[in-house]
Amino acid sequence: GNSVTQMEGPVTLSEEAFLTINCTYTATGYPSLFWYVQYPGEGLQLLLKATKADDKGSNKGFEATYRKETTSFHLEKGSVQVSDSAVYFCALGDTGRRALTFGSGTRLQVQP
Amino acid sequence: DVKVTQSSRYLVKRTGEKVFLECVQDMDHENMFWYRQDPGLGLRLIYFSYDVKMKEKGDIPEGYSVSREKKERFSLILESASTNQTSMYLCASSPPFQTVKPQHFGDGTRLSIL
Repeated sequence: GNSVTQMEGPVTLSEEAFLTINCTYTATGYPSLFWYVQYPGEGLQLLLKATKADDKGSNKGFEATYRKETTSFHLEKGSVQVSDSAVYFCALGDTGRRALTFGSGTRLQVQP
Repeated sequence: DVKVTQSSRYLVKRTGEKVFLECVQDMDHENMFWYRQDPGLGLRLIYFSYDVKMKEKGDIPEGYSVSREKKERFSLILESASTNQTSMYLCASSPPFQTVKPQHFGDGTRLSIL
């Protein structure tokens, strides 16, 4: 079956630091990959997505590249802000299963 | 913008009660989902529905049932609430897919069973 593994948190960074949150997946076929963000007290919001190998998703300064050879979709941002403090979820979807498969989430804390 | 509305942000119930969590979406989406979110476990799928009156079990359906009488509304029912069902519950919707589409989430219901 499908599975998503994320690095454990919390990740604590200073403002303007470089961020990487690792995500690897196991799936048959050619899944689509997503990063969702959950701000305190809110539901999940789609941050970015990639639907095929070598696609790069980007939004709000965040980027992730779909790497089929390493089955990875790592999230990066060059300079984080306090407002980026949230929980980040990596997710996988394929047409064989209607629901997405989520990783366990990584909490990011950015200190001023 | 898609809006998914969950009827309660916080809910406190007692063991053995029958509990209803309601979710409404305004984008005419065919697919609707109920997830449970627990620390360290991410989101786990309880049930989903791909059409009115149609439903499928997810990964953790035990102790839950669902109802979808209208396209826009998807209800999660705890038949006899237990303390291990204390959790955050998230509803989501998405359009039908021949290709995978992102899901749109509500703000969640934090349910406490005493």
